[in-house]
Amino acid sequence: ETGVTQSPTHLIKTRGQQVTLRCSSQSGHNTVSWYQQALGQGPQFIFQYYREEENGRGNFPPRFSGLQFPNYSSELNVNALELDDSALYLCASSSGGRQNIEAFFGQGTRLTVV
Amino acid sequence: DQQVKQNSPSLSVQEGRISILNCDYTNSMFDYFLWYKKYPAEGPTFLISISSIKDKNEDGRFTVFLNKSAKHLSLHIVPSQPGDSAVYFCAASEGAQKLVFGQGTRLTINP
Repeated sequence: ETGVTQSPTHLIKTRGQQVTLRCSSQSGHNTVSWYQQALGQGPQFIFQYYREEENGRGNFPPRFSGLQFPNYSSELNVNALELDDSALYLCASSSGGRQNIEAFFGQGTRLTVV
Repeated sequence: DQQVKQNSPSLSVQEGRISILNCDYTNSMFDYFLWYKKYPAEGPTFLISISSIKDKNEDGRFTVFLNKSAKHLSLHIVPSQPGDSAVYFCAASEGAQKLVFGQGTRLTINP
């Protein structure tokens, strides 16, 4: 059984650029959620994908978008990067449903916008 | 609006003693609560959870208590070990969709 893996681990981008972060979910999990963790804060929910469909979205602007693929891996895309987008981006996978609320996190991608 | 709050940014406990981490929430619709542990350069690791229909859940050295009337939960670690030093996040869920996290408490276990 493989865990949740994210790539890249670190990334530096310039304001205004676009970025794509990737996540491979844990084997057997069909639900992927993305979180943004700013320095000194708890993770904040961006959105969730269940079987390739968006299944809920947090308070993030439309320039944050995502995809889930048939193998349940996922991408997070951020357009028109702003300095405040600098954060740790976490991907979490779960089995879905009320009986499987526990989410398993990847190690995160540290994004720095300069 | 911070729906889940951890008011203690840090906590220092002697090895072997009890560590108690606290968490308050405001949304009465939350139906599931979880605790995660996070080491530097790693993602959060699931520790223990509790459904809103229970008031206690125990797993080895870790026990979570839920007081719904006070909208308060706590994590007890007994006995505390040096490897428990980490940042602990309280999280809550409504309808098994998203997790709402607190700001975290940094626990340091002193030898």
